[in-house]
Amino acid sequence: GQNIDQPTEMTATEGAIVQINCTYQTSGFNGLFWYQQHAGEAPTFLSYNVLDGLEEKGRFSSFLSRSKGYSYLLLKELQMKDSASYLCAVDNYGQNFVFGPGTRLSVLP
Amino acid sequence: DAGVIQSPRHEVTEMGQEVTLRCKPISGHNSLFWYRQTMMRGLELLIYFNNNVPIDDSGMPEDRFSAKMPNASFSTLKIQPSEPRDSAVYFCASRVGGIPKNIQYFGAGTRLSVL
Repeated sequence: GQNIDQPTEMTATEGAIVQINCTYQTSGFNGLFWYQQHAGEAPTFLSYNVLDGLEEKGRFSSFLSRSKGYSYLLLKELQMKDSASYLCAVDNYGQNFVFGPGTRLSVLP
Repeated sequence: DAGVIQSPRHEVTEMGQEVTLRCKPISGHNSLFWYRQTMMRGLELLIYFNNNVPIDDSGMPEDRFSAKMPNASFSTLKIQPSEPRDSAVYFCASRVGGIPKNIQYFGAGTRLSVL
């Protein structure tokens, strides 16, 4: 079976750092993706991890531990425009994605 | 590139009517995915195609739903007859299969309301 878990909601202050966690149990792992989705819009790609460790891209970083079935997305220097839902997705055998329920992040002034 | 193109962007219909959603994937992408998103159930995979062939339709809710991909540049998702519980945002996504970091790119979605 496949199971992906994320916190439902998080709140943080502009300029702060926030970490969004994702835990997964899947039968076939071929990489983990993070997507950002603003209200009323389509999901857009943020980051990708296939090996253990940290991937950094500007204000966003993503971490993966395959042995623990765990990933997190780190957002630094939060801006109001970062208010969105963040979805983690496991690439299943390189065939299709299994998406988590998403974490709705609210950034307050 | 124009990205994944979906039409219509919004659809309002009455229960029992047939609904057809359309998708044009990114040129050169050989995998296409149909998703449904609701507040209650999140983003659910309905069906996906590799090289125009349906690979896994286990996410299709019931026989009222059908999907086709007659060629590499066009796919449809049909609901017949539609019911109020089908109201959701339907996304189409495409990607190049068989490579590392094969990102899925999403269309803008079709917001379906069945009254």
